[in-house]
Amino acid sequence: ETGVTQTPRHLVMGMTNKKSLKCEQHLGHNAMYWYKQSAKKPLELMFVYNFKEQTENNSVPSRFSPECPNSSHLFLHLHTLQPEDSALYLCASSQPSGLATGELFFGEGSRLTVL
Amino acid sequence: DQQVKQNSPSLSVQEGRISILNCDYTNSMFDYFLWYKKYPAEGPTFLISISSIKDKNEDGRFTVFLNKSAKHLSLHIVPSQPGDSAVYFCAAKPNSGYALNFGKGTSLLVTP
Repeated sequence: ETGVTQTPRHLVMGMTNKKSLKCEQHLGHNAMYWYKQSAKKPLELMFVYNFKEQTENNSVPSRFSPECPNSSHLFLHLHTLQPEDSALYLCASSQPSGLATGELFFGEGSRLTVL
Repeated sequence: DQQVKQNSPSLSVQEGRISILNCDYTNSMFDYFLWYKKYPAEGPTFLISISSIKDKNEDGRFTVFLNKSAKHLSLHIVPSQPGDSAVYFCAAKPNSGYALNFGKGTSLLVTP
């Protein structure tokens, strides 16, 4: 496996469900990110982790809970979501320099539908 | 309020010709500008970037131009190839924080 891998690629959940999105990177990077792309909207940063520490939370509602157990893995735990949370969730990683330059390596995304 | 705008949702260019993709921004505190390319069912891929202290950066067929006075960024692809057909996102990184500000993308179609 190479690059940034996200699972599942597609997820359908009800508003009362609890689910998780998983991201794994094989690039030796130390920074990991969650971005969200809603329909007809640009990509929007949710969270940043650097060396497993959360360094940015872009005012994300608490029904989204990130977890970064090590520099290679990033999770997004989902709980009591709303239909408007349906979106493409993209994980990315970068070298430390990428935190400054914005050069990120993205996964293929997890398409989430909340019913 | 969107700080990075790509006003052309789509662009069609003939193979071998130049493709010019445009991007406008409003925030003077951006210090890096980037272009990402996205094929269907794949994540965005970094293409090229430019620092705010420069006005041009070239990498093979791809050149990015930055006009700070006009707050305008453009990507030139010469010559365009059918494999360049993708959605191109302009992004800008402010000098504080880690969030990239993305445009909504321009879909480029290069026809043989």
